[in-house]
Amino acid sequence: DAGITQSPRHKVTETGTPVTLRCHQTENHRYMYWYRQDPGHGLRLIHYSYGVKDTDKGEVSDGYSVSRSKTEDFLLTLESATSSQTSVYFCAISEKGLPYEQYFGPGTRLTVT
Amino acid sequence: AQSVTQLGSHVSVSEGALVLLRCNYSSSVPPYLFWYVQYPNQGLQLLLKYTSAATLVKGINGFEAEFKKSETSFHLTKPSAHMSDAAEYFCAVGGFSGGYNKLIFGAGTRLAVHP
Repeated sequence: DAGITQSPRHKVTETGTPVTLRCHQTENHRYMYWYRQDPGHGLRLIHYSYGVKDTDKGEVSDGYSVSRSKTEDFLLTLESATSSQTSVYFCAISEKGLPYEQYFGPGTRLTVT
Repeated sequence: AQSVTQLGSHVSVSEGALVLLRCNYSSSVPPYLFWYVQYPNQGLQLLLKYTSAATLVKGINGFEAEFKKSETSFHLTKPSAHMSDAAEYFCAVGGFSGGYNKLIFGAGTRLAVHP
């Protein structure tokens, strides 16, 4: 299994509070991704990174920001959490771009009350 | 723009029966296609991928998929279902559309296997 960990694994927070999710990899892969998974929508890309300090938006980036100061860590921040951001968040890594596959972390279940 | 449609959000089969999960894609560039499986409370695991080599792709756990350009399809099959195949399956398309190097996922198909 690819060495990917996500923390926390579960979090409950209140509307309006900031939240940061962490993805940590031990594979030294260049690409890192944040997805959210919601019923009926599959996985949707929030942001991705193609190198240290190099990030770009995905299809559902509003309300989210990311940072990558080290190869191994990719942080996802919800500046002011809303109930619509209740979801399961997955981090993924890839050694290179397509067609190399992405390897997924175990996920973080976030509930915003 | 790229997109993926998975026909059938739920599929139920008997143990030992053929598994067929349908995926149709849309892509303005030559596509890369993937099937992932997700077991309960876990992340996604790659089953197989198409990268323009052979059109019939064999994956793990006895699954295979055939790329049909004329039908824009990449259906996933397994000759004989096993109880352990019960999971959610996602088809994804990737390509360099618009300069982005990323995957677009379908909504998923939940496979149930009954005795």
